Amino acid sequence: AQKVTQAQTEISVVEKEDVTLDCVYETRDTTYYLFWYKQPPSGELVFLIRRNSFDEQNEISGRYSWNFQKSTSSFNFTITASQVVDSAVYFCALSEAGQAGTALIFGKGTTLSVSS
Amino acid sequence: DGGITQSPKYLFRKEGQNVTLSCEQNLNHDAMYWYRQDPGQGLRLIYYSQIVNDFQKGDIAEGYSVSREKKESFPLTVTSAQKNPTAFYLCASSIGHNEQFFGPGTRLTVL
Repeated sequence: AQKVTQAQTEISVVEKEDVTLDCVYETRDTTYYLFWYKQPPSGELVFLIRRNSFDEQNEISGRYSWNFQKSTSSFNFTITASQVVDSAVYFCALSEAGQAGTALIFGKGTTLSVSS
Repeated sequence: DGGITQSPKYLFRKEGQNVTLSCEQNLNHDAMYWYRQDPGQGLRLIYYSQIVNDFQKGDIAEGYSVSREKKESFPLTVTSAQKNPTAFYLCASSIGHNEQFFGPGTRLTVL
């Protein structure tokens, strides 16, 4: 069965620290898609990245980077030099190409608090 | 400006009442979704629709109903059969397995 696990419920860091949010997934499909979303206090989910199962290249976007490792079924997210504005709940999610629909399976989220 | 709108932002329901949450998108997306978010639970899928006039149950569909008469609209009705409806409801849309775009959400409280 498909599943996404975000073992870290809450993380607190001080500004300028680097922080890594872990995501482990389970799927039987060989073709699948992984996502990260940010949920600020306003509540709306903001899309950060989408990765398909055939593309294991790591990605960097400004202070954000993602490490996708199929061997360990992980898709971890690192924020470098964290800022107060990074404080939010971060969700990792999975969708499978083989399933009838395209809905996302979400992890329970990691709440990141960055203090100044 | 393309996007997804949800209304109302806050909704209060008395026990035994049915209420309908609105979701509209002008992104020309075929697929639309409803998720429920409870504290510490992440998002769980209620219903989704891949095309007009067709929809499928998600993991927690009991006590909810939907319709998809127009591509742009996917309203969710929370019926009196839903025993614990207090939650944050998020609507989303997408093209296939591309990223889902989310609306601002509706916070429903049972009085």
